[in-house]
Amino acid sequence: GESVGLHLPTLSVQEGDNSIINCAYSNSASDYFIWYKQESGKGPQFIIDIRSNMDKRQGQRVTVLLNKTVKHLSLQIAATQPGDSAVYFCAESTSGRDMRFGAGTRLTVKP
Amino acid sequence: DSGVTQTPKHLITATGQRVTLRCSPRSGDLSVYWYQQSLDQGLQFLIQYYNGEERAKGNILERFSAQQFPDLHSELNLSSLELGDSALYFCASSAIQLNYGYTFGSGTRLTVV
Repeated sequence: GESVGLHLPTLSVQEGDNSIINCAYSNSASDYFIWYKQESGKGPQFIIDIRSNMDKRQGQRVTVLLNKTVKHLSLQIAATQPGDSAVYFCAESTSGRDMRFGAGTRLTVKP
Repeated sequence: DSGVTQTPKHLITATGQRVTLRCSPRSGDLSVYWYQQSLDQGLQFLIQYYNGEERAKGNILERFSAQQFPDLHSELNLSSLELGDSALYFCASSAIQLNYGYTFGSGTRLTVV
């Protein structure tokens, strides 16, 4: 079946560097995407979302890019801080149905 | 505090037993979702309720059941527990029945011994 997945299970970056976390999806009908951050012992926390009629959306230090042609989603974190260390999940839904999550990427920020 | 309350935070029980996990959604939210997260695994959707009615079902075992009460809190019942049921169980809520992002609780960590 169609699913959401991640290219890299782990990512280690130096504090202050930019981080890029990638996600591939296979359902071309997906029209809504979210990035969640999950810190150890906590529930997933909403970071940023994007609809399929956009290819870029910016938040505070985060940017989500959507490439519908290759069904690819990425999360960019600027000036990564130790507090950004967490597992990041992408999720997608189609017409508001069936929110599906990827396996997650663990981001480790080295001081 | 996300506004979604889950109890208990931790639960240790023996195989074969039955447990009930409780979730209170954010004030005003009508939809409740249950997810299972095993060690180093992604979030597996179990079931969704909207305003007291079941709306969607995912990979929920027959040994598991859930319900949403008139006051909108929800309970997830897990029976005949097996070691493999050990996981984090998350509840999330949203204002509407569509999956346009929701707020998660902090989870219940279930350990089956």
